[in-house]
Amino acid sequence: NAGVTQTPKFQVLKTGQSMTLQCAQDMNHEYMSWYRQDPGMGLRLIHYSVGAGITDQGEVPNGYNVSRSTTEDFPLRLLSAAPSQTSVYFCASSRQGATQYFGPGTRLTVL
Amino acid sequence: SQKIEQNSEALNIQEGKTATLTCNYTNYSPAYLQWYRQDPGRGPVFLLLIRENEKEKRKERLKVTFDTTLKQSLFHITASQPADSATYLCALADTGTASKLTFGTGTRLQVTL
Repeated sequence: NAGVTQTPKFQVLKTGQSMTLQCAQDMNHEYMSWYRQDPGMGLRLIHYSVGAGITDQGEVPNGYNVSRSTTEDFPLRLLSAAPSQTSVYFCASSRQGATQYFGPGTRLTVL
Repeated sequence: SQKIEQNSEALNIQEGKTATLTCNYTNYSPAYLQWYRQDPGRGPVFLLLIRENEKEKRKERLKVTFDTTLKQSLFHITASQPADSATYLCALADTGTASKLTFGTGTRLQVTL
């Protein structure tokens, strides 16, 4: 099993550009989530999904969109990047009420 | 408002000693609490889960306690080794929100020879 994979590992964007962070898992987990991690702020939940076709907002959803068309994939879209979105982004998956498995992260810089 | 607090200052201990990290929370009715380890440049890795009706959980050199009256969890690493140096995160799942975890900011542990 590859576990949770994320691409790209690093990305630099200019303000106003759009991009999609990819996340995939091969453990057949129904629950997937996106977090951002900033110094001194810890991990903050952006969006999560409890199954294909079902998504919901977390603590900091503004500026981000998600969709879940398959169990395996949970992409995170930035429609118009802003410097405040400079962060490290982690995707995670789990079974309901269980351990979360994290991907290696994407380090995003918005200039 | 809901809050999870971990000591933001680094904890420095000598090899062989027991490290104790604290996680305090307010305005939660936790279904369970988890501890994760995070190394620089990597994603968090799960260590232990303790449910609201459990007082203590152990795994090898790790021990977690959970006191819902004090609203506190303690995480112990006995016989610490330099390889235990990392940031340790606690995370809570509120009753009714199942897999939706809220994380503390983490405490960095440095174990020296």
